[in-house]
Amino acid sequence: GAVVSQHPSWVICKSGTSVKIECRSLDFQATTMFWYRQFPKQSLMLMATSNEGSKATYEQGVEKDKFLINHASLTLSTLTVTSAHPEDSSFYICSAWDYNTGELFFGEGSRLTVL
Amino acid sequence: QQQVKQSPQSLIVQKGGISIINCAYENTAFDYFPWYQQFPGKGPALLIAIRPDVSEKKEGRFTISFNKSAKQFSLHIMDSQPGDSATYFCAAILETSGSRLTFGEGTQLTVNP
Repeated sequence: GAVVSQHPSWVICKSGTSVKIECRSLDFQATTMFWYRQFPKQSLMLMATSNEGSKATYEQGVEKDKFLINHASLTLSTLTVTSAHPEDSSFYICSAWDYNTGELFFGEGSRLTVL
Repeated sequence: QQQVKQSPQSLIVQKGGISIINCAYENTAFDYFPWYQQFPGKGPALLIAIRPDVSEKKEGRFTISFNKSAKQFSLHIMDSQPGDSATYFCAAILETSGSRLTFGEGTQLTVNP
């Protein structure tokens, strides 16, 4: 079946550095992908909608200069956390719609720890 | 406001029992209601979903009951097993709005052996 793959699954970085997380749709083309952030024991918070070939749409309160999203191909979206700080430590999850089947698939998530 | 309220926040059930999780929504335009299961450190996985023109959908031990007039839907897990212990999220989608998911707050289910 269709799979959405995220990489890396976990990453530790120093404060002030930038980290890139990749989200790939393996079996289908995804014109729209979504990026979520999840804190421990909380629900998923939508950060932005990533559209292939155009600018991402960010949710209110999400800093677009802090969380750079690029959706350069139909199978790949990237989230770059720029100048990361400890408060950016979180579980980041992407999802993608397979419009052929009408199913929404989630990636396995990427745990970011900023020291 | 597009919100989905989920209860209870946590649930403990004995093996073989029925787990029931409830959700209520506000926006009557929502047109797709999925339930997701999430294990620690993993992304959510689709369990079962329903559209508002159906009052009930069953897949194996999992059943969604949908009450359109009350704007409520619930997940029933029959014969609950320890392996069902996870966090469950209900969600609602307005497909015409770009298919953005609105998640409930989540329910942490523990099934005791």
